[in-house]
Amino acid sequence: RKEVEQDPGPFNVPEGATVAFNCTYSNSASQSFFWYRQDCRKEPKLLMSVYSSGNEDGRFTAQLNRASQYISLLIRDSKLSDSATYLCAGDSGGGADGLTFGKGTHLIIQP
Amino acid sequence: DVKVTQSSRYLVKRTGEKVFLECVQDMDHENMFWYRQDPGLGLRLIYFSYDVKMKEKGDIPEGYSVSREKKERFSLILESASTNQTSMYLCASRWISNQPQHFGDGTRLSIL
Repeated sequence: RKEVEQDPGPFNVPEGATVAFNCTYSNSASQSFFWYRQDCRKEPKLLMSVYSSGNEDGRFTAQLNRASQYISLLIRDSKLSDSATYLCAGDSGGGADGLTFGKGTHLIIQP
Repeated sequence: DVKVTQSSRYLVKRTGEKVFLECVQDMDHENMFWYRQDPGLGLRLIYFSYDVKMKEKGDIPEGYSVSREKKERFSLILESASTNQTSMYLCASRWISNQPQHFGDGTRLSIL
């Protein structure tokens, strides 16, 4: 059974701090990974795609460790608006079927 | 920007009714998906389609069916709605298998 595991949190972090959380996956055939951000009662929105060792977009950095089968998300200089649930997802390893999602990590940035 | 549109944001139906949830995407994507999201259970895949008229069961297909008569439209059908199908339903689409999925706004469905 394919699984993606995340610490549900909540992570309470002061504004301006750096926060990192991990996501582990069980399907060693997975090739593509994604981080989504989901606000309360809204749909998930794509934050970053991770295809090789990592990706960086502004304050956000994602890293992939295939040997240990985890993906991390680092947020630098956190803003109040970063408060959300962050979902990690991995593909099935080449098929047309859907992504396997973690249950999400809840992040609260405090002023 | 990818646009995935779901027909209703909120829907209330009665037990036993046949319920149709519609999803349309405007980016000529090959693959389309239906998920439901419940507190503590996360996103679970109900059905997906990799091409017109093609459909595959996801992890929790029982009580649901789907239809994809045109590339841009993917419909989820609750054959006989039950209270345990009260949930947030999310449609998604993507171009090909290693690309990210893009979600619609979601439909909050309540079955009374």
